[in-house]
Amino acid sequence: NAGVTQTPKFQVLKTGQSMTLQCAQDMNHNSMYWYRQDPGMGLRLIYYSASEGTTDKGEVPNGYNVSRLNKREFSLRLESAAPSQTSVYFCAIAGTGVSPLHFGNGTRLTVT
Amino acid sequence: AQSVAQPEDQVNVAEGNPLTVKCTYSVSGNPYLFWYVQYPNRGLQFLLKYITGDNLVKGSYGFEAEFNKSQTSFHLKKPSALVSDSALYFCAVRDPGSSNTGKLIFGQGTTLQVKP
Repeated sequence: NAGVTQTPKFQVLKTGQSMTLQCAQDMNHNSMYWYRQDPGMGLRLIYYSASEGTTDKGEVPNGYNVSRLNKREFSLRLESAAPSQTSVYFCAIAGTGVSPLHFGNGTRLTVT
Repeated sequence: AQSVAQPEDQVNVAEGNPLTVKCTYSVSGNPYLFWYVQYPNRGLQFLLKYITGDNLVKGSYGFEAEFNKSQTSFHLKKPSALVSDSALYFCAVRDPGSSNTGKLIFGQGTTLQVKP
């Protein structure tokens, strides 16, 4: 989707491996989010960053860390991947007020 | 606690017929409500939102949604379905007391299948 770029698109990890999911935006929005999507469960918020230099936990933060590197970039790190982290991960951004979220196209992660 | 329910996992409708995708919510105070659509292997796309004002809101691609406060519902509707409307639809709610724009609570999603 225009404005939010996620890399990689696909990744397969073995249990215990680590990786970082990258997200970059070109819409100059302050707020950035990481969600995970699992069948039958909708999307659940992992972490978010309301502005550069701040991060906060969402609904399901355990097993993840984040870094808001600058206004454009917000990364999600799995230090020791577990099969329960097999999911599709979406980065999203939002402007001020009641702006809707803009989503990236997602990273499909499989942990074996 | 806030919550959103989409009671139907799948909705099937014939092309040209009206469609409804149901959503009910639970939130303290007046809610901000959203509908998103997801096509295969893509991120979610915003369709429409209700913040305040008219209970019937119009959005992208001919979709509209009706806010009903007494029934705590926000059903998505379209008068005439297209095959290209087939996708996964998500309802979401935000607590207006939340200071953060994107902290949405999503329903589990409803797959819409429009048959020719």
